[in-house]
Amino acid sequence: EVQLLESGGGLLQPGGSLRLSCAASGFSFSISAMSWVRQTPGKGLEWVSTISDTGGSTYYADSVKGRFTISRDNSKNTLYLQMNSLTADDTAVYYCARVPTYWGQGTLVTLSS
Amino acid sequence: DIQITQSPSSLSASVGDRVTITCRASQRISNYLAWFQQKPGKAPKSLIYAASILQSGVPSKFSGSGSGTDFTLTISSLQPEDFATYYCQQYDSYPLTFGQGTKLEIK
Repeated sequence: EVQLLESGGGLLQPGGSLRLSCAASGFSFSISAMSWVRQTPGKGLEWVSTISDTGGSTYYADSVKGRFTISRDNSKNTLYLQMNSLTADDTAVYYCARVPTYWGQGTLVTLSS
Repeated sequence: DIQITQSPSSLSASVGDRVTITCRASQRISNYLAWFQQKPGKAPKSLIYAASILQSGVPSKFSGSGSGTDFTLTISSLQPEDFATYYCQQYDSYPLTFGQGTKLEIK
């Protein structure tokens, strides 16, 4: 059974940093490109970032470029998202996904002063 | 960026009905289109990828078609558990983009 289990979300103040993790199992993680997608009530689903299977290529939405860093550890079957300089606009549920077929259950990130 | 226009934004139907949702891409994306179902408070669930391939475990009442710029999701014989929000997504090129969603409600 495929499982993508996100963790690391929480409540923090604008300007802060957070690292999300996604533990994968049930499929060949090391040969899969992996992504982060976020969802807010007002903006719907928004792609955030993708990393290639080896980690050699990364892609970012303009809204997070320069602030977020995607990475992976294939030895641990784990995907990461380091988020810095967070703003209220980053408040969302963050999903780990193997686009287009598998999604995690999401982790909520809330920015509030 | 590739824009995805999904219609309708909401749809009211009855149990047993057949419904169709469409997505139009602003440029050709071959068959790199996926459909998802989402229920309130839950994660998206993959239904179809590559425009027409049913994700494992998804009932055959769901079907997808299209290529290039125009795509459709058809749900036949609606059951109460099918009432949800449906999204399409193109994964032809970055940034990956989504349709705005179609909320399917019970009439």
